[in-house]
Amino acid sequence: AQSVTQLDSHVSVSEGTPVLLRCNYSSSYSPSLFWYVQHPNKGLQLLLKYTSAATLVKGINGFEAEFKKSETSFHLTKPSAHMSDAAEYFCVSSNTGNQFYFGTGTSLTVIP
Amino acid sequence: DAGVTQSPTHLIKTRGQHVTLRCSPISGHKSVSWYQQVLGQGPQFIFQYYEKEERGRGNFPDRFSARQFPNYSSELNVNALLLGDSALYLCASSLSGPSGTQYFGPGTRLLVL
Repeated sequence: AQSVTQLDSHVSVSEGTPVLLRCNYSSSYSPSLFWYVQHPNKGLQLLLKYTSAATLVKGINGFEAEFKKSETSFHLTKPSAHMSDAAEYFCVSSNTGNQFYFGTGTSLTVIP
Repeated sequence: DAGVTQSPTHLIKTRGQHVTLRCSPISGHKSVSWYQQVLGQGPQFIFQYYEKEERGRGNFPDRFSARQFPNYSSELNVNALLLGDSALYLCASSLSGPSGTQYFGPGTRLLVL
């Protein structure tokens, strides 16, 4: 079975400090991996995706993620948090079939 | 270009009723997927359609059904509504088939009383 585990349900950071949102995946092969963000009362927005090209993936709004096969991880990072980054973040995996598997989400709070 | 659109935005039903939710994909996208997002949880996959055929089904009861029309829009139907069906229902479309990047609509929030 394929799944993703988001290791933190809540993360709080101060504005201007680094952000780290952790995600581990389980799959018998390298899946496609995504990070989506969901702001309150807004739709899910794609931040970035990994599809077996470069292991370091750059996304929108300064976010990036690194695929580490040895650790089965795909953690999301940003060097400096902004107030507008406060939202729910979902790690998602997809196999070559037809399903997206969402993690349970990480709520990011940015403290001014 | 317009993104994925869903209607209605909000809906209130009572137990035992049925509901139909609608989704229009991004122009040119032939794949549509449906998800259920219960408050405080991540979205759960319900169905995927590609070129008007069902290509995937999640672990949902037969009360849930869907279809895709020739113009690639889609409907999600839920019969015999239960309180637990209260959720945000998300539609997503993708360009490059079932495993392509999915673009999500704003969702339909269903409340079952």
